[in-house]
Amino acid sequence: DQQVKQNSPSLSVQEGRISILNCDYTNSMFDYFLWYKKYPAEGPTFLISISSIKDKNEDGRFTVFLNKSAKHLSLHIVPSQPGDSAVYFCAATVTNFGNEKLTFGTGTRLTIIP
Amino acid sequence: EADIYQTPRYLVIGTGKKITLECSQTMGHDKMYWYQQDPGMELHLIHYSYGVNSTEKGDLSSESTVSRIRTEHFPLTLESARPSHTSQYLCASSSPRLGGIVDEQFFGPGTRLTVL
Repeated sequence: DQQVKQNSPSLSVQEGRISILNCDYTNSMFDYFLWYKKYPAEGPTFLISISSIKDKNEDGRFTVFLNKSAKHLSLHIVPSQPGDSAVYFCAATVTNFGNEKLTFGTGTRLTIIP
Repeated sequence: EADIYQTPRYLVIGTGKKITLECSQTMGHDKMYWYQQDPGMELHLIHYSYGVNSTEKGDLSSESTVSRIRTEHFPLTLESARPSHTSQYLCASSSPRLGGIVDEQFFGPGTRLTVL
C-alpha cells in the first residue's frame, strides 16, 4: 500500500517557466516532508523540507507548499533552469527524535526544455 | 560535501552466487541505511543501523543481510542471488541538519545489480 504517491511520472516545462511537482500522502501520522532530487547515475540529494506546522517553506527558487487537509504537497521551481532536469522524489516521515524512517514516492522526472 | 561510496556500481552475476555490496562513508555518521529501488518505483528501506553492532530490518522484507562492525562501513550481503534480487541498491548515511528537525540523509551513487 503506497503511502506517498507521485501520480505524474514525468513533466516537461519550458526554461524560465514555473515547474510544479505534486505529491499526495495517505498516512495522517506523517508530520515532516522532504523533496529529494536525483540525477542519472547519482544518489538522491536533499532539496527542501517542510514541517506539518507550516504550510510553506521557501529556499531560493524552490518553494514547498503543504495542504494538510488535502494530504497534498507540491514543489514549485521558479524560474526553471536546464540544470533542474532530474527525477524528484517526495518523502514523508513521522518525527521521532532523529530516528525517522523515510517513506518515498515513485518520483517525477522533470525535463526543462531550453 | 557528502562522502559516501558504493562498490561495485554495476554487477551482473549468475543465480546462486554470494555477493556483497560495499558501502562506506567518511563523515563519521552513526546512522546508515540501505534502500532498494526498482525502475520507476519508490525507494524501499530494507535495512538500517543506528551505530556499530546495531542493525534492523526495514519496511520491505529482504533476503539480504547487513553488518556494522565499523562506523564507516555498512556492507550488504546476499548469500544466494536470484533473478528476483535484480534491482538498484542505494546506501545512505545521516547527520542532524543544522536548524532541521529531521536528519539529512546523504546517498551513495547506488549499485545496479542484475542476477541472470
